[in-house]
Amino acid sequence: SAVISQKPSRDICQRGTSLTIQCQVDSQVTMMFWYRQQPGQSLTLIATANQGSEATYESGFVIDKFPISRPNLTFSTLTVSNMSPEDSSIYLCSVEEKGQGYGYTFGSGTRLTVV
Amino acid sequence: AQSVTQLDSQVPVFEEAPVELRCNYSSSVSVYLFWYVQYPNQGLQLLLKYLSGSTLVESINGFEAEFNKSQTSFHLRKPSVHISDTAEYFCAVSASSGGSYIPTFGRGTSLIVHP
Repeated sequence: SAVISQKPSRDICQRGTSLTIQCQVDSQVTMMFWYRQQPGQSLTLIATANQGSEATYESGFVIDKFPISRPNLTFSTLTVSNMSPEDSSIYLCSVEEKGQGYGYTFGSGTRLTVV
Repeated sequence: AQSVTQLDSQVPVFEEAPVELRCNYSSSVSVYLFWYVQYPNQGLQLLLKYLSGSTLVESINGFEAEFNKSQTSFHLRKPSVHISDTAEYFCAVSASSGGSYIPTFGRGTSLIVHP
C-alpha cells in the first residue's frame, strides 16, 4: 500500500495565523483527500484534490479558509487560514488504494491546537 | 447518501475477553464496508473490508467482521483481546455503484483493554 508522509505532526498556533500542512505520497495517485477529525468526532471530508485542477470542497468548507495545492501526482498541501480555536483538530490526508472500493490509506495526521 | 452509526462510543474490556464493536449503516445503493483502526497519535489504518463474496472477513491480527445485509450491520469482533488492541476503531461505508465511493465514517468506538 501507499506510504504517506504528513507534516508537521503537531503544532500550536496563535489565532489569526495560518498553517500549511504537507502530504507526500511515495507513488503517483490521481486524487488526494483532506479530512478533519475534531475531538470526539468522526472524520469529515474537507476537499478532494486532483492534480492540475482546483480542489472540490465539501459543504461547509471554502477555499478561502482551506486553500489546497496539488502541484504534482505525489504531493499536496492544505492551509488552514486565519485560524481560530474552533479549528483545533486533527487534519489527515488520504489516498485511495488501487481503485474504487479498495480502501484508503491515511497519513499520520497533524494535530493542530489554536490558542 | 450513506450514513454510519457506531452504537458505542467507548467499550472497556479486560484482556483476553471477547469484544464486539457495533456498526450499522444506511444506504440506498450497494455498499463496500470497512473498519479502520487508529492507534494513539497515529493515522488511520485499514483493518479489514467487505467488497463482495463471503460475508465474513478477517484481519491478520484476529479481528473479524460479518456483513449482514438484512440487518444493515458490519459488527467487528475479536474472541480474545490484547492490551495492544487499545485504539479507536472507525467503521466506514462507500457506495459500490450508483453513489459516492468516497467513504463515510462513523464517529468511532474507543476500545480500552484493561489488564
